[in-house]
This record gives sequence, C-alpha cells and structure tokens, in this order.
Amino acid sequence: GAVVSQHPSRVICKSGTSVKIECRSLDFQATTMFWYRQFPKQSLMLMATSNEGSKATYEQGVEKDKFLINHASLTLSTLTVTSAHPEDSSFYICSARALTGYYEQYFGPGTRLTVT
Amino acid sequence: GESVGLHLPTLSVQEGDNSIINCAYSNSASDYFIWYKQESGKGPQFIIDIRSNMDKRQGQRVTVLLNKTVKHLSLQIAATQPGDSAVYFCAEVASGNEKLTFGTGTRLTIIP
Repeated sequence: GAVVSQHPSRVICKSGTSVKIECRSLDFQATTMFWYRQFPKQSLMLMATSNEGSKATYEQGVEKDKFLINHASLTLSTLTVTSAHPEDSSFYICSARALTGYYEQYFGPGTRLTVT
Repeated sequence: GESVGLHLPTLSVQEGDNSIINCAYSNSASDYFIWYKQESGKGPQFIIDIRSNMDKRQGQRVTVLLNKTVKHLSLQIAATQPGDSAVYFCAEVASGNEKLTFGTGTRLTIIP
C-alpha cells in the first residue's frame, strides 16, 4: 500500500517551453502533496505544499508563477515548470500524506527534468 | 536558523558489519523524526521513524536512537548487505508543522 507514482520519469525539453509533471497516490487519498527539488549530490528542498482544492503554499524563494501547482483531486497533483531554463534542470520529487496519516509522507520515484 | 545536519557525508562498511549513521538536529520543537534511504535516480524510501516520546525503536535490521538531550539521532543497520548501499537522509518534523526538513545526507557504501 501507499504507492505514489510520477509521470514522466524523465523528460527533456527545450528552453522556453513548459513541462507538466504528474503525481498520483495510487491506493490512498492524499490530503496534502508536497513537491521537492533535488540537485545532484544534494538533499531534498521543499518547493511547495499543495492541498486538494486550494492554492499551493510556496517556500521562500520559489517562484509561484514559474512553478504552477494544481491539486485537482485527492489523488492527483501536477507541477508545471513554465518557460523552462537550463537552470531548472533537476530531479523533481513529489510526496503525499494520507488522510489518516500522522506525519508520514510517501514519496514518488521522481522525475528527471533536463532543459536544453 | 534551524537545521538538520549529518556528521559524515560518506561511510564505507564491510559487508556483514554493522553501520551507524548519525544526524544532529537543532530544532528543539521537532517531535517526529524519520530516516529515508535513497538509491540513485529514485525517490526516498521510508526506513523507520521515531517520535520524541521514545528514545529507541527497532525494525528489521535497523534501529533508530534518539537523544533529545543532545539533539542527536542515529540509524543503525545490522549485518549490512550490498543492497544497503545508498544515501541515507534523516528528516524532522516540528510540532504543529507538517513539513519535513531533510538533513544533508550520508552516502553509505557496502564493501563486498
């Protein structure tokens, strides 16, 4: 149980284009989903927290107009990187917290974004 | 500011030996701690957690120790196997806050 999927697993896009990443909780309902970014050999940095049906809360320094988050249902959240630039190349990971969870977050497998 | 950090960035252990990964935290309001394992190119995988009202918790081959006096957390892995090679992160959650704060990570390498 508690499986989180992400799609796509890898994506290469050209500078200036937008990319959408999906995060799904497959066998549970998630009140809250989190988006993280991880650069090589570094730790996970929280970008934003999204709750179903409401606007996402972004961490300091994360541009909300550049990283659009939509949490349309209790099992799906999307992150859209708009007007991507090479410096946006990173490993993006989502996690989901179950309705009945304490603080447990279940992580997706990550999406490797490369902007050329 | 508050942070969660690790003492050692890399650790090499002979297969079959026990390993200990340490983590220091500075937020005294943290009341829940988790250890994650991350293999290359994958998302973090939950290993074990512990709440602040405990000082020890055991799982299968893993033990987490919490010393609130010195704000120190450790992960012990017994009888290490090649599959234990990965980066290990500690993470903390402060009371009333649902967000995880991750430490810097320790790369554990098991030597066959």
